[in-house]
Amino acid sequence: AQSVTQLDSQVPVFEEAPVELRCNYSSSVSVYLFWYVQYPNQGLQLLLKYLSGSTLVKGINGFEAEFNKSQTSFHLRKPSVHISDTAEYFCAVSYSGGGADGLTFGKGTHLIIQP
Amino acid sequence: GAGVSQSPSNKVTEKGKDVELRCDPISGHTALYWYRQSLGQGLEFLIYFQGNSAPDKSGLPSDRFSAERTGGSVSTLTIQRTQQEDSAVYLCASSPMQPSGELFFGEGSRLTVL
Repeated sequence: AQSVTQLDSQVPVFEEAPVELRCNYSSSVSVYLFWYVQYPNQGLQLLLKYLSGSTLVKGINGFEAEFNKSQTSFHLRKPSVHISDTAEYFCAVSYSGGGADGLTFGKGTHLIIQP
Repeated sequence: GAGVSQSPSNKVTEKGKDVELRCDPISGHTALYWYRQSLGQGLEFLIYFQGNSAPDKSGLPSDRFSAERTGGSVSTLTIQRTQQEDSAVYLCASSPMQPSGELFFGEGSRLTVL
């Protein structure tokens, strides 16, 4: 079965420090990759996505992610975090370009920014 | 509207009662999804509608759960004889079904079953 693994359920980081949130997926076939962010009491917003082309993608709020096909990873990074980045981050993979059986979410990583 | 709209935003009900949750997707989006988000469990897929095709109900946890989508737009998720384990945030998302499969989410309906 297809799966997405976010190894860290919580990541505490000091403000202005760099952060990396890890995401690995199970398949090596052609995929589309997404990171979503969920701020407290809100729905999910798209942070960034990889469809094709450059393996380094940039998203909103200074986040970026790198697609590594050989390691089946799509880790999310930010060089300097802010208090406002405190949120739940979800990695998602689409294996067939959409449809219920093609979109799989990880369990999420709670990013906690400490002053 | 500009985004996916869900109502109610909060619902508290007694065990055994029926509840209905509503989702109004982005205009023109043909695909609609319902997910359940429980604390620490990530997103659990419930049901998927695509245009006029029969819905994919493979994620519904029991026969107490059902959903319909009228006129290819608004969707209602119904939970009958609610149980305490049904307490969760129910998220709706829609998609224009571009090859990317990107989803646009509503803010969710928080259900608490006492």
